[in-house]
Amino acid sequence: QMQLQESGPGLVQPSETLSLTCSVSGVSVSSSAFYWGWIRQSPGRGLECLGSVSYTGTSYYRPSLRSRVSISIDTSKNEVSLRLSSVTAADTATYFCARQYGSAWFAPWGQGTLVTVAS
Amino acid sequence: DIVLTQSPDTLSLSPGERATLSCRASQSVSNTYLGWYQQTPGQAPRLLISGASSRAAGIPDRFSGSGSGTDFTLTITRLEPEDFAVYYCQYQREFGQGTKVEI
Repeated sequence: QMQLQESGPGLVQPSETLSLTCSVSGVSVSSSAFYWGWIRQSPGRGLECLGSVSYTGTSYYRPSLRSRVSISIDTSKNEVSLRLSSVTAADTATYFCARQYGSAWFAPWGQGTLVTVAS
Repeated sequence: DIVLTQSPDTLSLSPGERATLSCRASQSVSNTYLGWYQQTPGQAPRLLISGASSRAAGIPDRFSGSGSGTDFTLTITRLEPEDFAVYYCQYQREFGQGTKVEI
């Protein structure tokens, strides 16, 4: 059964870089049929897709975040990573990883991890 | 960019009743990329409907999706207690703001 599990620091200092890892089991991240995405959720912003990438190298990043976000795939560890630089309190959210079928729906999702940006 | 607007924001119903949720896109979109999700407190969203009208694996048949162009609908024919949740529509990498179905 496919499972996704996010991990990383729950507290990040303002202006620093948020780094999260999504460990994938039950399916290979190198499947060319899928993208792997990061979505965040906060009371003020609702659900917001930061970006998604495929093993083949095709990527999408949210235009408003493109200068700060990077998503990468590590096939040796079957993991997907997120880096978001220069964070502010506005980046406080629950961060989910999810598999995306092409440019369509997201399934399944990880359980999510809460990241708070504060000093 | 596509903007998805869901209505109503909150739907107050009783178990056994029918729920009709709306999702309107700011411009015409392809059914292929339209999905619906259910989220209960403390959980990740769960895919209910893909391609505007196809139920995802394991989703009960009381859930159905329809629509085309700019207007899409999620219908729950007979609400069960576990169906009281927040529902989101999604197109490619954009999500609606959600509709809360409450008792």
